[in-house]
Amino acid sequence: DAKTTQPNSMESNEEEPVHLPCNHSTISGTDYIHWYRQLPSQGPEYVIHGLTSNVNNRMASLAIAEDRKSSTLILHRATLRDAAVYYCILTGGTSYGKLTFGQGTILTVHP
Amino acid sequence: EAGVAQSPRYKIIEKRQSVAFWCNPISGHATLYWYQQILGQGPKLLIQFQNNGVVDDSQLPKDRFSAERLKGVDSTLKIQPAKLEDSAVYLCASSRPTGGGNTEAFFGQGTRLTVV
Repeated sequence: DAKTTQPNSMESNEEEPVHLPCNHSTISGTDYIHWYRQLPSQGPEYVIHGLTSNVNNRMASLAIAEDRKSSTLILHRATLRDAAVYYCILTGGTSYGKLTFGQGTILTVHP
Repeated sequence: EAGVAQSPRYKIIEKRQSVAFWCNPISGHATLYWYQQILGQGPKLLIQFQNNGVVDDSQLPKDRFSAERLKGVDSTLKIQPAKLEDSAVYLCASSRPTGGGNTEAFFGQGTRLTVV
């Protein structure tokens, strides 16, 4: 499985934008970039995914570098409810969507 | 749509006892996953089913863990006998069978197992 690298932790203030980086230099052409988050005492929750182009949904935006070796999850206005562990995951090929989680980034949001 | 249902939410057992967890995936989702999440770590895939066939069980400790998915719907994960290091949250997830990575997975709330 292709590996991703994320910072262990990040902090933000409420109502400010948050940019969560992810490096994936060994990504293959068929790998999708997925982001999940896990709130305390809950199962992981899908946030967004993309292949080559930037993606937007109601939760966040995903900016993918032109060479696809890195990506950034953007939360446009952080709220206290966005405090969670954010996981950047690559999945594709014949994996049937298998998700291999790393340590993720712990996001702390200050009021 | 209804989410992934898991039961029980919590379980405390003594070491060497057996335990079983149940998962009901979202209707129509052919792919089902069981993950183990030890405190402070990311979830680790134990087993992945496509309908009632096993796609990946490379990280399932087969000497003590077993899983089945009868009729390609509900699934049960069993541990027998349990060890102290099995204390973790066991997460079930499901997704549509689009293949590749162009699909999202939906997770249940998990079962927190404590082995004493």
